[in-house]
Amino acid sequence: GENVEQHPSTLSVQEGDSAVIKCTYSDSASNYFPWYKQELGKGPQLIIDIRSNVGEKKDQRIAVTLNKTAKHFSLHITETQPEDSAVYFCAAFSGTGRRALTFGSGTRLQVQP
Amino acid sequence: NAGVTQTPKFQVLKTGQSMTLQCAQDMNHEYMSWYRQDPGMGLRLIHYSVGAGITDQGEVPNGYNVSRSTTEDFPLRLLSAAPSQTSVYFCASSYSQGAGGYTFGSGTRLTVV
Repeated sequence: GENVEQHPSTLSVQEGDSAVIKCTYSDSASNYFPWYKQELGKGPQLIIDIRSNVGEKKDQRIAVTLNKTAKHFSLHITETQPEDSAVYFCAAFSGTGRRALTFGSGTRLQVQP
Repeated sequence: NAGVTQTPKFQVLKTGQSMTLQCAQDMNHEYMSWYRQDPGMGLRLIHYSVGAGITDQGEVPNGYNVSRSTTEDFPLRLLSAAPSQTSVYFCASSYSQGAGGYTFGSGTRLTVV
């Protein structure tokens, strides 16, 4: 089945700096890669996603890049703000086998004011 | 529009007790799933359903049962609770398995003593 690895597990940045979270996946048949933000005591919320036919996608201060050859994808947050502090999860969806999202282990981002 | 509603929010069980975690969505989503979240392990899939009357096992199904009699509801049953089932449980729904992002509920924090 699909296996998703996520790094780093914790990330601390100064307000205004950029943050990058990286994920790798194992199943070359995976074709959908969402990113979720989870605030304390809440469920994960979708913030951006990318499909396998696209290399990069941007939405204001956040962007996701995908390298299908290397089987890795990354989340980029620019001009970080204290409200960006949360746990971020990457995920991959494989169209073969168990057709469901497989999640990474999460990255706790702390933005220092 | 309530989205995905989970009840209860908190529950303490004794070892061996059974209980049902409720999940309801009002978005007419065909796909629903249950995940458990443990520290450092991300979200792991327990069971999922692609429509009323259809369910399948996820990554960690042992000790849990599900059924899907309506599009709206997808309850998760713990048959005989064990301390290893102490976790935060999330229900998620989507209009399709992999075509779009999941909407998560706010979670049920379960402690088994």
